Amino acid sequence: EAGVAQSPRYKIIEKRQSVAFWCNPISGHATLYWYQQILGQGPKLLIQFQNNGVVDDSQLPKDRFSAERLKGVDSTLKIQPAKLEDSAVYLCASSLSTGLETQYFGPGTRLLVL
Amino acid sequence: AQRVTQPEKLLSVFKGAPVELKCNYSYSGSPELFWYVQYSRQRLQLLLRHISRESIKGFTADLNKGETSFHLKKPFAQEEDSAMYYCALSGPEGTYKYIFGTGTRLKVLA
Repeated sequence: EAGVAQSPRYKIIEKRQSVAFWCNPISGHATLYWYQQILGQGPKLLIQFQNNGVVDDSQLPKDRFSAERLKGVDSTLKIQPAKLEDSAVYLCASSLSTGLETQYFGPGTRLLVL
Repeated sequence: AQRVTQPEKLLSVFKGAPVELKCNYSYSGSPELFWYVQYSRQRLQLLLRHISRESIKGFTADLNKGETSFHLKKPFAQEEDSAMYYCALSGPEGTYKYIFGTGTRLKVLA
């Protein structure tokens, strides 16, 4: 079974620029998660989708971050404009459904904001 | 507030020695707890969950509600156990939002 795919793997931008990340979950997985992992910290959930609806986005900085999951499959996470403190690894994960299903993680996108 | 605490950033043990990675949590209801592991150059992956009460790669973890702990243990460490370990909590019911700890790096020395 193919795993969760993410692109790009690395991105370097200057502050105030925009950036977008893409995630393709495992086929058939209804739930998709975006996490932010700052160096030295654990993953922090930004947003959780169930199919194409948002289950939780309480920790998403909505003034600059946005995410969508059109057609309940692929998802994009956008930052506009980026700040220095957005430098982190952005992880996408998927699971069969919400609840206690195992989350399968992608390789992550490493973002550096200069 | 829900919180997961892993007090040790780094734990070094010799091969064959017992291992205990500590995890304490703060949660008002009945938590579901997990251990995730990330080996070098690999993706974050589930190691075990408390509801399964299973042993994976020789690791076990017992939920102690009185001490609000979910420590990960292995009686004899192996070099291939060297990795980053994250304790995670899921809740509340309905949304099952995950909260991860800051992680503990385990180094097993030859």
